[in-house]
Parts: sequence; structure tokens; C-alpha cells
Amino acid sequence: GQNIDQPTEMTATEGAIVQINCTYQTSGFNGLFWYQQHAGEAPTFLSYNVLDGLEEKGRFSSFLSRSKGYSYLLLKELQMKDSASYLCAVRDSNYQLIWGAGTKLIIKP
Amino acid sequence: GAVVSQHPSRVICKSGTSVKIECRSLDFQATTMFWYRQFPKQSLMLMATSNEGSKATYEQGVEKDKFLINHASLTLSTLTVTSAHPEDSSFYICSASNGTSASGANVLTFGAGSRLTVL
Repeated sequence: GQNIDQPTEMTATEGAIVQINCTYQTSGFNGLFWYQQHAGEAPTFLSYNVLDGLEEKGRFSSFLSRSKGYSYLLLKELQMKDSASYLCAVRDSNYQLIWGAGTKLIIKP
Repeated sequence: GAVVSQHPSRVICKSGTSVKIECRSLDFQATTMFWYRQFPKQSLMLMATSNEGSKATYEQGVEKDKFLINHASLTLSTLTVTSAHPEDSSFYICSASNGTSASGANVLTFGAGSRLTVL
């Protein structure tokens, strides 16, 4: 079966750095996405990785290793507004998106 | 950027009634829209893929007669929850893509979601 694993919840301090990991086992791979979802709202797109390596976008970076079936989302200079759930999703060989359950990130002052 | 509008954002209905949720792509045409369902603290669950001008493709375990999808135009898809029951209470989210970007991402843009409560 297809599976996306990410931690259920993480806590970090304002101004710090946090890394959210995602491991996947899917039938084929056609890209990995990270989305941010605030409570009661729809997900918003953060990043996309299809090749190995690091993609940097301001305070957020996303890394991919296809051979390890692994990705992480790195958030720097954390702000209170970063408190949200972070969803990892992988597009499989049929171009279907397989979603992880999300990691709830709690930022403390 | 691409915008997807979803309405209503919240709806409360009595058991046995039907509820219609609309999803519109505001500044692009979407031949395909996706309907998701999300329970609290759980992941997005794809319910169906809505195709303009043809029948929707439903995921395994999703009752097509209960969750009616109509994609009548390139900018509008509707989901009707028929004979709703309390167990249908959930957060329903639609999404669409305005095509493949230069990176090949084909990013989904989500509507704001509709929270359905069935009494």
C-alpha cells in the first residue's frame, strides 16, 4: 500500500528553526508537495520537489531524497503565525496525490 | 495567482436534507476539480475527481449516489450531499489546478472549505 509518514505534532519556540520530516512509500514518484493548513482553513501551497536536493523559498526550505523516500520542510526564524498543520503529499505514478496526515506545529513565545 | 472560491463556508442542516456546495475557479478554467473530505486531525481524503462535461470519478468507498457531483462548466463544480446524516458532518474542500507550471508542479489551489454540520 501507499503510505506517507510524518510526525503528528511538534513544538518549537518563536525565532527558532524547526524541521518537519516526511517519509513515503508510494507506487512511483512524480513530485512531493508541502502545504500549510491553518485550523479551519484550506491548505495553501508551500513547496514542490521533484529532484533531489534543497529548494529554498525565503524562511522555508524543502529537501528531497528520492532514494531514501524522504523529505523535510525547514522553517527558519519561526513566527507565531507559523502555527499550523503542515501536510506532505506525494504524486504517484498515476499522478494521484497521496496525502500525509499532517504535522501540527505549535509555536511558543 | 489562481483563486478557487467555495461556498458556503459553513452550513448546518437537518438530518435527511440535501446540501449543495459550490466550487468556482475565478480566474482560470479548470477541466478537472477535486473534492476532498477532512475529519478533525486527519488527512485530506480524496472523494472524487470532477471532470467538466463528463461523469465524476469516485474513489473507492465513496457513494456516488450520496455525493452527487456536477461539473457543468469550466469554472464551476458542485457537490451535493443527499439525505445528509450526522456522520456526513465534515470539512469538505474543493481544489483545482490551472495547469502545469514551469517547474512541472501542477499545483493545486484549494477553496476555503465548507464545514457541514448535520443535526
